[in-house]
Amino acid sequence: DGGITQSPKYLFRKEGQNVTLSCEQNLNHDAMYWYRQDPGQGLRLIYYSQIVNDFQKGDIAEGYSVSREKKESFPLTVTSAQKNPTAFYLCASSTGGGQPQHFGDGTRLSIL
Amino acid sequence: LAKTTQPISMDSYEGQEVNITCSHNNIATNDYITWYQQFPSQGPRFIIQGYKTKVTNEVASLFIPADRKSSTLSLPRVSLSDTAVYYCLVMDSNYQLIWGAGTKLIIKP
Repeated sequence: DGGITQSPKYLFRKEGQNVTLSCEQNLNHDAMYWYRQDPGQGLRLIYYSQIVNDFQKGDIAEGYSVSREKKESFPLTVTSAQKNPTAFYLCASSTGGGQPQHFGDGTRLSIL
Repeated sequence: LAKTTQPISMDSYEGQEVNITCSHNNIATNDYITWYQQFPSQGPRFIIQGYKTKVTNEVASLFIPADRKSSTLSLPRVSLSDTAVYYCLVMDSNYQLIWGAGTKLIIKP
């Protein structure tokens, strides 16, 4: 069954610690995206990648990093430079451009 | 710079038709307008997408006027399970994704 898998579902971070959120897709999509969603708010784009080994900053990239070494995988690292990382993180993929995005179930990150 | 505007919230009753409008200016002239549905603690789910005029699928219709400065998502005969947040998504003239802030739709019995 094709889809996007995000793991873990819940993640806790200590102050000053980097954490990596996993996103894997088996839809053979070229484009992948990371969004942040705060309680009661809409989606804000962190990073996106239109093809392997290439990615671009979105609206709120500061304090985050990504890699796209494989078509199926687009991990997001929340670094210690991100001072307010508590949020719901969503990964998505699409065939590119304005085509429909398929979303994972999200990872909820909290600070201990 | 493109901007989208949606109502923050709407209420309706089971069995009614619900129309949610998104205003958007300076969008790309040759790309789609897309609507998503999101339930709490889940990722958004694609509902419908269109370029112009009217598009209909098994769950919704999308109306887009000729000037493409707005779009209206129409949900026929809503049920309690349609209670969710609905987002419009467009692409601006620089081909950057622009999400609406979302409309929280509450369906009452």
